[in-house]
Amino acid sequence: NAGVTQTPKFQVLKTGQSMTLQCAQDMNHEYMSWYRQDPGMGLRLIHYSVGAGITDQGEVPNGYNVSRSTTEDFPLRLLSAAPSQTSVYFCASSYTTTGFPYNEQFFGPGTRLTVL
Amino acid sequence: ILNVEQSPQSLHVQEGDSTNFTCSFPSSNFYALHWYRWETAKSPEALFVMTLNGDEKKKGRISATLNTKEGYSYLYIKGSQPEDSATYLCAPNAGGTSYGKLTFGQGTILTVHP
Repeated sequence: NAGVTQTPKFQVLKTGQSMTLQCAQDMNHEYMSWYRQDPGMGLRLIHYSVGAGITDQGEVPNGYNVSRSTTEDFPLRLLSAAPSQTSVYFCASSYTTTGFPYNEQFFGPGTRLTVL
Repeated sequence: ILNVEQSPQSLHVQEGDSTNFTCSFPSSNFYALHWYRWETAKSPEALFVMTLNGDEKKKGRISATLNTKEGYSYLYIKGSQPEDSATYLCAPNAGGTSYGKLTFGQGTILTVHP
């Protein structure tokens, strides 16, 4: 299994540009999420999904869109990039077991995004 | 948004020392608490998921305890080694239909000096 994969690893954008960060997992996990990591701020949840066709907002959703058309993929779209979106972005997935939904999350390697 | 606090923010210890740090979280509507280890230039990796009051989990030299009534968890490292240097994150779970939603604390940065 490749686990959780993210592309690209690095990206530089200009203010106002749009782009999509890709996330895929091959573990058949129901739950997927996007976090951003900023110095002194820890990991903050952007959006999450509990299954194909279902998404919801996290703590810092503004400026980002997501969709989940398949179990495997959960892309994160930046609509109009701003310098405040310079960050490292992590995708994670998790699974449920019978009677227990609170299992560990598996993180991708991250995408380092710089917005000029 | 849950208020999750970790202390201390950073910690320097010598190789062989034992150490511990704290995660505080709201005790109401508790579902589960996660601990993750995050090495520099890598991704966070799960250490423990704990759900029951009084629960204690152990993995090698690392162990954790949970008090859901007062809203805290301790992480212990016995005989610290340089390879234990990392940021340790805790995160309580939301419940209901947001079962996978974690709110991370800012972490404790541990540096173990040889």
